[in-house]
Amino acid sequence: GQQLNQSPQSMFIQEGEDVSMNCTSSSIFNTWLWYKQEPGEGPVLLIALYKAGELTSNGRLTAQFGITRKDSFLNISASIPSDVGIYFCAGPIIQGAQKLVFGQGTRLTINP
Amino acid sequence: NAGVMQNPRHLVRRRGQEARLRCSPMKGHSHVYWYRQLPEEGLKFMVYLQKENIIDESGMPKERFSAEFPKEGPSILRIQQVVRGDSAAYFCASSPLAGVGSGVETQYFGPGTRLLVL
Repeated sequence: GQQLNQSPQSMFIQEGEDVSMNCTSSSIFNTWLWYKQEPGEGPVLLIALYKAGELTSNGRLTAQFGITRKDSFLNISASIPSDVGIYFCAGPIIQGAQKLVFGQGTRLTINP
Repeated sequence: NAGVMQNPRHLVRRRGQEARLRCSPMKGHSHVYWYRQLPEEGLKFMVYLQKENIIDESGMPKERFSAEFPKEGPSILRIQQVVRGDSAAYFCASSPLAGVGSGVETQYFGPGTRLLVL
């Protein structure tokens, strides 16, 4: 089945630094989603991408849909303490399906 | 506008007992999805339901697990004779859309139920 691999698995950064993480797949995705999960809560959608090469921003967050359709990137600029959490990439298991496959997550820790 | 509600938020069961997890979708949503998250892992799809119908249960274990979404009331994920390996966070998501080609981004997740099996 389709699998999503995220890297890095964890990041420890200083407040104010920029953050980059990525997600790769062995198969093509037509939709890429990026979620954030805070402790004790469910995932919250940050950005949705629909076209190869698409670059979309949400405040300090920017995500890109890789041209090969097998990867996606999420960048956070000027990190702040509330950015702490686990960031997941996800996509539909098969094209047009409602069920999602998730990566294993990138855990972000910020030192003030 | 209330979001997806799940209860209980935490559930402790002894091996062999039954666990019942409830999910109330957002108002106006008629599609429910259940996912399981093991520690340090991403969410894994279990089952997709519409009112009174199971649409896709390809991610559900064949034994001990069942799900329903009745015409009235919340969706229920039921785990019979729980084992320690069932300890996980179980998330419900709901969406207002149906069918192939609808936006997967319209799934809104609840806060989850953390199940601990002793």
